[in-house]
Amino acid sequence: GAGVSQSPSNKVTEKGKDVELRCDPISGHTALYWYRQSLGQGLEFLIYFQGNSAPDKSGLPSDRFSAERTGGSVSTLTIQRTQQEDSAVYLCASSYQGYSDTQYFGPGTRLTVL
Amino acid sequence: LAKTTQPISMDSYEGQEVNITCSHNNIATNDYITWYQQFPSQGPRFIIQGYKTKVTNEVASLFIPADRKSSTLSLPRVSLSDTAVYYCLVGDEDGGFKTIFGAGTRLFVKA
Repeated sequence: GAGVSQSPSNKVTEKGKDVELRCDPISGHTALYWYRQSLGQGLEFLIYFQGNSAPDKSGLPSDRFSAERTGGSVSTLTIQRTQQEDSAVYLCASSYQGYSDTQYFGPGTRLTVL
Repeated sequence: LAKTTQPISMDSYEGQEVNITCSHNNIATNDYITWYQQFPSQGPRFIIQGYKTKVTNEVASLFIPADRKSSTLSLPRVSLSDTAVYYCLVGDEDGGFKTIFGAGTRLFVKA
């Protein structure tokens, strides 16, 4: 079946603009994760959705970052008033139930803030 | 708060066996140990998962001692295409259901 998809694949924006990144998880997966990866660095956890539970937002770096997941499926990560340090690859992953279940990653969105 | 500790990088040659050890001293009773592989410009992909003792699949083996405070990923006869970053994950002992990726181990395989 189809894997995790993300859009856009690349996004170039100007400092101060808002951006929205989209993630379509694998159908039937209840858990969804957002990560950020700067060049040459490891993955930085941002936010986690599990079913109908309140999301775990403990990794969001500032209040400029927010995410939602509609209908337990598609998720959107929004970054307001983008800064140059927001430039990174934003990766989305989904898993069947979360916790130690295998995470399936999308190809990522490369965000460049000029 | 770091959950796992791995070497930052390792070098190897084609055909050799590579062992990457991960420390996870605070692993919780319910936690599984999972390893992922990431190639440049791609998202990580699952390699292997285990709870205790030894697990083997077509790609790798995972050795977990009885105290489960560490684990070793073993890649038999590596090739140039195994050059990648390898991440060790355990669950979050603070509760909840997320897993934390550390910095990973960057493996370079040379000809």
